[in-house]
Amino acid sequence: NAGVTQTPKFRVLKTGQSMTLLCAQDMNHEYMYWYRQDPGMGLRLIHYSVGEGTTAKGKVPDGYNVSRLKKQNFLLGLESAAPSQTSVYFCASTMDGAGGYTFGSGTRLTVV
Amino acid sequence: EDKVVQSPLSLVVHEGDTVTLNCSYEVTNFRSLLWYKQEKKAPTFLFMLTSSGIEKKSGRLSSILDKKELFSILNITATQTGDSAIYLCAAIQGAQKLVFGQGTRLTINP
Repeated sequence: NAGVTQTPKFRVLKTGQSMTLLCAQDMNHEYMYWYRQDPGMGLRLIHYSVGEGTTAKGKVPDGYNVSRLKKQNFLLGLESAAPSQTSVYFCASTMDGAGGYTFGSGTRLTVV
Repeated sequence: EDKVVQSPLSLVVHEGDTVTLNCSYEVTNFRSLLWYKQEKKAPTFLFMLTSSGIEKKSGRLSSILDKKELFSILNITATQTGDSAIYLCAAIQGAQKLVFGQGTRLTINP
C-alpha cells in the first residue's frame, strides 16, 4: 500500500501565483487533514474533512481553500501565494479521527 | 482555545543520558494524547495514551498520561545519537482532529 501520497514534494512560487497541492490516500480513510509546519511552531491545522464532500476550517485557514470531491483525495489550494505561506505542508488521514493517523512525506513550498 | 504546550523547546544532552520531555494540554473533548518522532520528513508514531497512569513502553522509550493534571511525559533512557529528532505531542480533540504542541528539538551529542 502506498499510504498517503503528497504531490509535489517541492515547489517554488512567485508571490501572487496559484497552485494546488494534492493528497491521495489508498486506505479508505474517512478523515483527511492539511497541516503546515513552521520552525518552532509544531504542526498547525489548516483545513480538514470528515468525509467525501465535506470540509471544515482549522486553526489557520486564511489564504487556503480545500476540496474533497473524491474520498481518496484532499486538495489544498493557494489562490494568490504570499511569502507568509512558505512552509512545509503535511497531509494526514485516519479512519475515524480516534487514532491511527497516517502522514504524507510533506511538501516544501517556498514563496518568493 | 485548545492548547498543547511542550517543554523544553530544545534540549542538548550527551549520549547515555536520560531525558524527560513534557507535554501539557488544555483541549475540549479530549480523547487521547499521541507522541511522534520527527526526523527529516513525516512524523512517525511512538505512543497513543488514553488512560491515566498506565505507562506505555517501547524499548528505551516510555510515556505516561495524567488526565487529572492534564499532562504527559516521554522518557528516553540511555540516549543514542539516533534519538536526535523533534518530538511532537498532539491531543486528539473531539475525536476529529489533532492539536499539536510546538515540539521539542532533542540533540544527542556523542
